[in-house]
Amino acid sequence: EVQLVDSGGGLVQPGGSLRLSCAASGFSFSTYWMNWVRQAPGKGLEWVANIKQDGSGKYYVDSVKGRFIISRDNAQNSLYLQMNSLRAEDTAVYYCAGGPGWLITSWGQGTLVTVSS
Amino acid sequence: EIVLTQSPGTLSLSPGERATLSCRASQSVAKNYLAWYQQKPGQAPRLLIYDASTTATGCPDRFSGSGSGTDFTLTISGLEPEDFAVYYCQQYATSPLTFGQGTQLEIK
Repeated sequence: EVQLVDSGGGLVQPGGSLRLSCAASGFSFSTYWMNWVRQAPGKGLEWVANIKQDGSGKYYVDSVKGRFIISRDNAQNSLYLQMNSLRAEDTAVYYCAGGPGWLITSWGQGTLVTVSS
Repeated sequence: EIVLTQSPGTLSLSPGERATLSCRASQSVAKNYLAWYQQKPGQAPRLLIYDASTTATGCPDRFSGSGSGTDFTLTISGLEPEDFAVYYCQQYATSPLTFGQGTQLEIK
């Protein structure tokens, strides 16, 4: 069974940094495109970034370009999101999600990031 | 960027009725790479339909998807109590991947 466990969320001040992690199990992690998708409180889903199976391709939504970095460690079956220069509008539940292509077939349970002073 | 517009925003129906949810794209979705997800409060989304009309593993057969190009539909025939949730369409043909704003399906 595919399992994705998100962690690393918390309260951070505007301008601060946070690193999210996602531990994958139950499937061949190195064969999946992996994504981060976020959901602000009471709002809809917003795709944030994705990374190719071998890490050679990375894509971002415009609002996080230059501030967020997606990465992966296939040896550790782990996905990461380094978030810098955080803003209040980055407050959301962040989901790790993945699939064999750009289609997202599996989701983590989410981790809450709150940006506030 | 492909903008997806879902309608209606809220749909009020009774168990046993048929639900029809719409998703319209601002430009043609290549290869009909359009998915539908269901999300219940406090839970992660769950994949229901992909490639516009293919039912995902474990999805009940009362859920069906149709459409192509810019107009897509999710139909739920014979609503069950557990179907009342928020539904999102998403295109995965071009970057950035985009979601519709969601349709809230509520019990009438």
